[in-house]
Amino acid sequence: QKEVEQDPGPLSVPEGAIVSLNCTYSNSAFQYFMWYRQYSRKGPELLMYTYSSGNKEDGRFTAQVDKSSKYISLFIRDSQPSDSATYLCAMERGNFNKFYFGSGTKLNVKP
Amino acid sequence: DAGVIQSPRHEVTEMGQEVTLRCKPISGHDYLFWYRQTMMRGLELLIYFNNNVPIDDSGMPEDRFSAKMPNASFSTLKIQPSEPRDSAVYFCASRRSDPETQYFGPGTRLLVL
Repeated sequence: QKEVEQDPGPLSVPEGAIVSLNCTYSNSAFQYFMWYRQYSRKGPELLMYTYSSGNKEDGRFTAQVDKSSKYISLFIRDSQPSDSATYLCAMERGNFNKFYFGSGTKLNVKP
Repeated sequence: DAGVIQSPRHEVTEMGQEVTLRCKPISGHDYLFWYRQTMMRGLELLIYFNNNVPIDDSGMPEDRFSAKMPNASFSTLKIQPSEPRDSAVYFCASRRSDPETQYFGPGTRLLVL
């Protein structure tokens, strides 16, 4: 069993929709939870990170962590075609060196 | 800043050949990471360095893989001999000690025939 599970999609939504992306994990030692965005043929770039449980908001993006359920989510409000990319969740135990990535969810926002 | 620089961007080689991937981290970053990304296995950490010293190479798949960081501005990942199953996108990333963000390069697409 992989330590981090993520639905690969693809997920196709109309412009303006609310998008929900999710990951589950098995290792209760994970403390930091991150979301990366990866455009086609580019390297991943950090969108948001959260520590422990709770919510964090940044513009149209909200990251949510539920440690009791070992479940994290990324919500995108008012989705735009420019949000079309692969979204990777990542988590680690506290030294920011050994990240465990999900396989990525491909999102397509249609104009 | 130019960001993390990787070369070559694309590499096509034949099975059995030696492959060398190169990375220049962002100036001032003292951590460097090598990742491999495939459809089947996603993004996997291969090895990382701190101040040019390899810290954790537990992700290196086999002895055919080796990585070096001779100085703070250059690292290589070598595969010898290469095999078709090594075909993947290889990313280099770097970060400072503080803050936590890893900055990824554009990747090298490797195809081993």
